[in-house]
Amino acid sequence: GAGVSQTPSNKVTEKGKYVELRCDPISGHTALYWYRQSLGQGPEFLIYFQGTGAADDSGLPNDRFFAVRPEGSVSTLKIQRTERGDSAVYLCASSLTYGAENYGYTFGSGTRLTVV
Amino acid sequence: AQTVTQSQPEMSVQEAETVTLSCTYDTSESDYYLFWYKQPPSRQMILVIRQEAYKQQNATENRFSVNFQKAAKSFSLKISDSQLGDAAMYFCAYRTPASGSRLTFGEGTQLTVNP
Repeated sequence: GAGVSQTPSNKVTEKGKYVELRCDPISGHTALYWYRQSLGQGPEFLIYFQGTGAADDSGLPNDRFFAVRPEGSVSTLKIQRTERGDSAVYLCASSLTYGAENYGYTFGSGTRLTVV
Repeated sequence: AQTVTQSQPEMSVQEAETVTLSCTYDTSESDYYLFWYKQPPSRQMILVIRQEAYKQQNATENRFSVNFQKAAKSFSLKISDSQLGDAAMYFCAYRTPASGSRLTFGEGTQLTVNP
């Protein structure tokens, strides 16, 4: 696609439920990143994929968070047993390949997750 | 820990005037990349300008320029001839080889442009 697409744009879920957030990167971009942006804060790194594999998942806060990218394009961020503290905007970004991030990523518009 | 500090939570400027947004960072590495991103209400982070630490010349992109002071670990953004469309949240960020592909962001500065 022309840009990074994230769906849904907004998601409201009840505490304890499971959610999936989807990211469709720019066609041909092998590197994909997830960030979490809490209210009034800058984005914080969660995980980075190079192709199908998670090259760096050190930013995932705990084992309730998991992400996959099975075919090296679309990625899904999965959150189990959601908590109110998980409420945030989840941003996805992509870049052409490793090293290209030195020129900046292309971000999507994010998914605003609200846990009630 | 590597950090980015934006000491101005909010700034305002009159249309057509110039404004400077401050950013300081803390890293022990000598090679890194610095960025300014703009986030309008649409939430999409848009790259405004980037600077490579090994380059002494300050980067410029049209009305946007930076003042990069490596010894002081300072990376300020100057917006000239401010336009209403410049109103947004601005984030300073950097990447070092040791941090892999992750960017470390500051907490942002909300810029208001007054007509």
